[in-house]
Amino acid sequence: DVKVTQSSRYLVKRTGEKVFLECVQDMDHENMFWYRQDPGLGLRLIYFSYDVKMKEKGDIPEGYSVSREKKERFSLILESASTNQTSMYLCASSRGQLNEKLFFGSGTQLSVL
Amino acid sequence: GENVEQHPSTLSVQEGDSAVIKCTYSDSASNYFPWYKQELGKRPQLIIDIRSNVGEKKDQRIAVTLNKTAKHFSLHITETQPEDSAVYFCAASSGRGFKTIFGAGTRLFVKA
Repeated sequence: DVKVTQSSRYLVKRTGEKVFLECVQDMDHENMFWYRQDPGLGLRLIYFSYDVKMKEKGDIPEGYSVSREKKERFSLILESASTNQTSMYLCASSRGQLNEKLFFGSGTQLSVL
Repeated sequence: GENVEQHPSTLSVQEGDSAVIKCTYSDSASNYFPWYKQELGKRPQLIIDIRSNVGEKKDQRIAVTLNKTAKHFSLHITETQPEDSAVYFCAASSGRGFKTIFGAGTRLFVKA
């Protein structure tokens, strides 16, 4: 079974800190995604990647960057955390074929104080 | 940009009744429409999906319909059970960059 692992379940950071959220998948998936989940807003796409070193902006990339140096790992970076980035962050992966289902990690609840 | 609207935001039904959740999408290039179920405190998981060359798909008590002309797709759950209580998300994928856009979610309550 596909395993998508996010490094932290809960994270508390201070405003202005640089924050790294890590995601690792073990099924050799080409595509990886970062979403944030907020009540009433669903899952909003921040960034996604379809290959190593390739990245594409999603709908809400402002304030975030990503890194995909290895196929299995996709990192989300908050350069200078702000309180409005307090949210649940979900990583997902899928195979390289078009329109394959997403496998999600268990999420990281980030609180920025 | 692409957008997926989902209604209703909350749905409460009696056990055994049917539940219907509706979505519309804006990107005419979308060709894959998955539905995810998220139970409290857990990750979203795919429950059913449909591709643009199919109008309807059924899996036991769950069915999905797609109207490409109207850009509508719907989830139908029959004979609802308390374990169906969860948040349901519709999504649309255009294949361009494998981008998947989600609706805002429907919280379904099934009362025993």
